[in-house]
Amino acid sequence: NAGVTQTPKFRILKIGQSMTLQCTQDMNHNYMYWYRQDPGMGLKLIYYSVGAGITDKGEVPNGYNVSRSTTEDFPLRLELAAPSQTSVYFCASSYSKGRTTNYGYTFGSGTRLTVV
Amino acid sequence: KNQVEQSPQSLIILEGKNCTLQCNYTVSPFSNLRWYKQDTGRGPVSLTIMTFSENTKSNGRYTATLDADTKQSSLHITASQLSDSASYICVVSQNTGGFKTIFGAGTRLFVKA
Repeated sequence: NAGVTQTPKFRILKIGQSMTLQCTQDMNHNYMYWYRQDPGMGLKLIYYSVGAGITDKGEVPNGYNVSRSTTEDFPLRLELAAPSQTSVYFCASSYSKGRTTNYGYTFGSGTRLTVV
Repeated sequence: KNQVEQSPQSLIILEGKNCTLQCNYTVSPFSNLRWYKQDTGRGPVSLTIMTFSENTKSNGRYTATLDADTKQSSLHITASQLSDSASYICVVSQNTGGFKTIFGAGTRLFVKA
C-alpha cells in the first residue's frame, strides 16, 4: 500500500515548455486534488476530482489542465510553463461519503517545479 | 471571506519544552478542523481531526482544542523532540464537501537541542 505517489520529485522547465505531473493512489479514494504551495503561503487548490471522469476547477486553475480517466490516476498538465508556476505541487486524495463527510487527506511527497 | 490564520509564523523552543500553536478561522459553514504536520520536503501528514461537537483531541504528545463559538483552535505539543521540527498547518473544511477546504499558511517550529 504505497498511498499517493507523485512523479517526478524535481523538474526544471524553460518558459513555454509543457509537462505532466503524475499522481496515482492505491487506496480506492474517490476524491483527488492538486495543490500548489508557494513559500510562506497556504496550499492553494488548482483542480479537484470527485470521481473518474469528473473534474472541476479550484482556486487557481489558470495555466493547468487535468484528467481523471481512472480512480487511481490524476495527472496535472502544464501547457505553456511560466515563471509564476514555479512552486511545489502536491497531489492528495480522500474518501468522501456524499457531500458532507470527508475522512481526511493523504498527500503525496510533492513535486518541486522551477520555471526559468 | 473564508480565511484561516495561524500564529506565530515561526517558533523556536528547546527540546523537552512545551509549546502551543494557534489557529483562528472565519470559515462558514464549518465542517471540521484538522492539524497537519509537514516535514521539510514532504507532504502534510494528518495529526488530528475535530468536528463541531468535539473540543479536544489527542494524538500522542499532540493535543488539539477547538472552540467553535470563538472559531479558534490550538495545537499543544508536550515534551518537544527534535523530530517535532516541522511546519504545522491548520486546515478548515466547509460543510459542502471535501473540496471546500481552506489551508492556513502554517507555523514553522524549530526544536533545538
